[in-house]
Amino acid sequence: EAGVAQSPRYKIIEKRQSVAFWCNPISGHATLYWYQQILGQGPKLLIQFQNNGVVDDSQLPKDRFSAERLKGVDSTLKIQPAKLEDSAVYLCASSPWTSGGSGDTQYFGPGTRLTVL
Amino acid sequence: GENVEQHPSTLSVQEGDSAVIKCTYSDSASNYFPWYKQELGKGPQLIIDIRSNVGEKKDQRIAVTLNKTAKHFSLHITETQPEDSAVYFCAASTYDGGTYKYIFGTGTRLKVLA
Repeated sequence: EAGVAQSPRYKIIEKRQSVAFWCNPISGHATLYWYQQILGQGPKLLIQFQNNGVVDDSQLPKDRFSAERLKGVDSTLKIQPAKLEDSAVYLCASSPWTSGGSGDTQYFGPGTRLTVL
Repeated sequence: GENVEQHPSTLSVQEGDSAVIKCTYSDSASNYFPWYKQELGKGPQLIIDIRSNVGEKKDQRIAVTLNKTAKHFSLHITETQPEDSAVYFCAASTYDGGTYKYIFGTGTRLKVLA
């Protein structure tokens, strides 16, 4: 079974520029998460999708961050404009979501390391 | 808000010794507790998990224990090897509003000294 795919793996941009990250979850997984992981910290949830609907975006800085999940499969996360404090690893994860069993088990992609200069 | 505390933040052990990492959660509705291992430049990898109806689970050299009353759970690694060196994260998951919500600990950097 293929894992969660993310691209690009690394990105360096100047502040105030825009950037986009892409995620392809494990086939059949209904739930998709985007996390921000600042160096030395645990992952912090930015947005959570169930199929193509948003179920939690309470910690997403909506003035500069946006995300979409068209057709309930792939997802993109965009930052516009970027700030220095956005430098972090952006992790995508997916889970199958069934009401019981291991439906909540979360699987992570390799992440995209963003550096904002 | 809900949170998960993780200790210690760094841990150094001699090869062959045991390592223990502890987490405490605040949301009594949490019912799923995974542990992740993150190596440099990689995403977190699930290594073991436990559900609230179980007190202990073991997989070879790795075990997790859960104390629901005290709201804490621990990761135990026995016979540590250099390849166990990584950052370990605990998490607590709660079923809320039709979906699963995760809160992660702050991580423990484990160094196994050869």
